[in-house]
Amino acid sequence: EAQVTQNPRYLITVTGKKLTVTCSQNMNHEYMSWYRQDPGLGLRQIYYSMNVEVTDKGDVPEGYKVSRKEKRNFPLILESPSPNQTSLYFCASSLYQGRNEQFFGPGTRLTVL
Amino acid sequence: AQSVSQHNHHVILSEAASLELGCNYSYGGTVNLFWYVQYPGQHLQLLLKYFSGDPLVKGIKGFEAEFIKSKFSFNLRKPSVQWSDTAEYFCAVNGANDMRFGAGTRLTVKP
Repeated sequence: EAQVTQNPRYLITVTGKKLTVTCSQNMNHEYMSWYRQDPGLGLRQIYYSMNVEVTDKGDVPEGYKVSRKEKRNFPLILESPSPNQTSLYFCASSLYQGRNEQFFGPGTRLTVL
Repeated sequence: AQSVSQHNHHVILSEAASLELGCNYSYGGTVNLFWYVQYPGQHLQLLLKYFSGDPLVKGIKGFEAEFIKSKFSFNLRKPSVQWSDTAEYFCAVNGANDMRFGAGTRLTVKP
């Protein structure tokens, strides 16, 4: 089944404790992206990747890191999480950037205490 | 800078009522336009998309949207909503490299 998977689905952590949210797609997509969803703000793009080893900042990259060493994986790293990073995070992928539909993962609900 | 505005934050309708959700965007170049839906507790799914050609596009579940270039708008419509359409709806604009979403419109359909 073609899909985007994220792990974990739910995470409660404390300020300053490094964490990684994994994202994997099995559709051989070139483009991958991370978003955070907050009430009243919709989805805001954190980072995106046009291809392996190519990543770029979105609208809200501060406090986040990503890597794209393989086409299928695009982990999101929070080196020192803070309470303002409490949010719902979605990973998405598409064949290419532009006209192609983005497929979304199930989301990761992160709470930083 | 590229931006997307959705005018309605929360819309409440009765079943069988007609729906129109507004979306305006600001972008200087060629854009690709999308409407996504997020049912409660689920991830986003594509409703419809517009790249070029006929400005009236039809999507899944009876939804359609009209691209009006002069107004920078891409409004979503459905002639008769159902209770199962209760969800949050997001307009999105895809430019050169990134994708921007509107803040979303929550639709509640009363049975």
